[in-house]
Amino acid sequence: GAGVSQTPSNKVTEKGKYVELRCDPISGHTALYWYRQSLGQGPEFLIYFQGTGAADDSGLPNDRFFAVRPEGSVSTLKIQRTERGDSAMYLCASSLGPGARYEQFFGPGTRLTVL
Amino acid sequence: DQQVKQNSPSLSVQEGRISILNCDYTNSMFDYFLWYKKYPAEGPTFLISISSIKDKNEDGRFTVFLNKSAKHLSLHIVPSQPGDSAVYFCAAIRGANQAGTALIFGKGTTLSVSS
Repeated sequence: GAGVSQTPSNKVTEKGKYVELRCDPISGHTALYWYRQSLGQGPEFLIYFQGTGAADDSGLPNDRFFAVRPEGSVSTLKIQRTERGDSAMYLCASSLGPGARYEQFFGPGTRLTVL
Repeated sequence: DQQVKQNSPSLSVQEGRISILNCDYTNSMFDYFLWYKKYPAEGPTFLISISSIKDKNEDGRFTVFLNKSAKHLSLHIVPSQPGDSAVYFCAAIRGANQAGTALIFGKGTTLSVSS
């Protein structure tokens, strides 16, 4: 079956602009995670959804970052007033449920470049 | 402060030999550990995991060893194959049976297997 998909695969924007990054999880997966991977680093947790609600947003770096999952499937990560430091690979993962026993499946990521 | 550390950025091994990738952690509350593998332009994919109540888990050519007293784990690949060339991430979870358990990743080790 289809895996996790993310669009766009690459996004180049100018400092100060607004961007939206989309994640389509595996069908039936109720848990959805966003991670950010900067150059030379491992992925870092941003936010976790269980169904439609953001159950843990403790990893969001500041209030310019926001994410939604209105129907419990597709999720959108929104970044306002982008800064050069936001440039990174943004990864989405989904799993059948919460907890370690459910494997997290990752999408290929969206590479964001802020000029 | 890095809670999961992979101190070797790269490792080169000949085909057929053993590859040993190391990982150290600082948080004694971690109760589940995972290894993910990442090829260029793809998201990380799950490889093998181990619960903190065990000291070894084996799956085919891949074995993970956990030394809780030393807060150290290692991934052994025997025999190594050129297709194993990838970036390997060590990850940990705190509260493995709780909801919304985000993965905490190390920086990764790039493994190159030459034929």
